Amino acid sequence: EAAVTQSPRSKVAVTGGKVTLSCHQTNNHDYMYWYRQDTGHGLRLIHYSYVADSTEKGDIPDGYKASRPSQENFSLILELASLSQTAVYFCASSPTGGENTLYFGAGTRLSVL
Amino acid sequence: SQWGEENLQALSIQEGEDVTMNCSYKTYTTVVHWYRQDSGRGPALIILIRSNEREKRSGRLRATLDTSSQSSSLSITAAQCEDTAVYFCATGQGGRALIFGTGTTVSVSP
Repeated sequence: EAAVTQSPRSKVAVTGGKVTLSCHQTNNHDYMYWYRQDTGHGLRLIHYSYVADSTEKGDIPDGYKASRPSQENFSLILELASLSQTAVYFCASSPTGGENTLYFGAGTRLSVL
Repeated sequence: SQWGEENLQALSIQEGEDVTMNCSYKTYTTVVHWYRQDSGRGPALIILIRSNEREKRSGRLRATLDTSSQSSSLSITAAQCEDTAVYFCATGQGGRALIFGTGTTVSVSP
């Protein structure tokens, strides 16, 4: 049973449109993360959260917002989607931050046209 | 960037061969993670080595860590077709989140 579930699994969006990616975890973990994967860049941290109703910027936050309404749910929001945001997005959770093991969802493939 | 030398991008081997991939890092860390990503899935931890360990084994996997050179390696012994995947190393940066390398694609053919 998947403990980190992402939806949708894939999405096609238009440039300038709003996109919301959702993540739900049943691990009872405090920390949740959004990473972006591009060929040749590995995984890069966009936003993370360690408590409900609070989010923190990662390494590449520009153009993205995050929302953590509850311990279980963490969303990534692209207010004005751009071509450069075409990528695969992964949500992950961990019991604590720093060097703790991450548990990933299956990813969302986003294509912005 | 957390990383110095990039991971080797791709390795192609045949079943039964051994394979080793390396990564180096710039910032002090107390632990190096190695994750495996199968096609269409998210990464999953396969082995973790701490700074007080020079070597760690798990089945056919062997990880090493050299804190003096700030480098780590992952070896797979007698690779099998099901070992085909992308392998990432990752380190922490003091209370925030793991930083991932660019990954090594390993392709194992029969």
